[in-house]
Amino acid sequence: GNSVTQMEGPVTLSEEAFLTINCTYTATGYPSLFWYVQYPGEGLQLLLKATKADDKGSNKGFEATYRKETTSFHLEKGSVQVSDSAVYFCALTPLTGGFKTIFGAGTRLFVKA
Amino acid sequence: GAVVSQHPSRVICKSGTSVKIECRSLDFQATTMFWYRQFPKQSLMLMATSNEGSKATYEQGVEKDKFLINHASLTLSTLTVTSAHPEDSSFYICSAMRRGDPYEQYFGPGTRLTVT
Repeated sequence: GNSVTQMEGPVTLSEEAFLTINCTYTATGYPSLFWYVQYPGEGLQLLLKATKADDKGSNKGFEATYRKETTSFHLEKGSVQVSDSAVYFCALTPLTGGFKTIFGAGTRLFVKA
Repeated sequence: GAVVSQHPSRVICKSGTSVKIECRSLDFQATTMFWYRQFPKQSLMLMATSNEGSKATYEQGVEKDKFLINHASLTLSTLTVTSAHPEDSSFYICSAMRRGDPYEQYFGPGTRLTVT
């Protein structure tokens, strides 16, 4: 079946450090891939997405590339800020099966000043 | 565009009462809406898929008689938690899929339910 595995947190970084949050997936065909961010007490916000192999999604300095060969969609940011502290969810939406989105467990990021 | 609202944002109710949560797509027609439940520090758990004009499809282990879902129009779906108990306390999030764009969901801000 479809699944998403992302690195366990929490991840603690100093401001301006480089961020990588690993995400790998299992799916048939070519699902759409997403990163969502959740700030404390809030719902999910779409951070970026990619819909086909080799696509790069980017937003607010975050990037992720859809790697079919490694079934990965790792999230990166060159220089994190305190305001990036949140929980990040990797997710996929398959092309079949009612378009049910599958979420990873979430990775909590703490950025220290 | 593609804004989804939820109402209420927070609700506290007593055990045994029922609570209704609304999910609205404000500027688009949503052929499908999804309801999720999120426990503290955990991921989202899909509860059910709601299609306009038809019965909701519930995920395994979700009691359909306890969590009543109605998708009355292309912009509104409701989740009613019936005979609520403290273990139903959770963060409930809806999402909507826009007509013609099945690969992206737009999420509401969530509803925090506390049952006392």
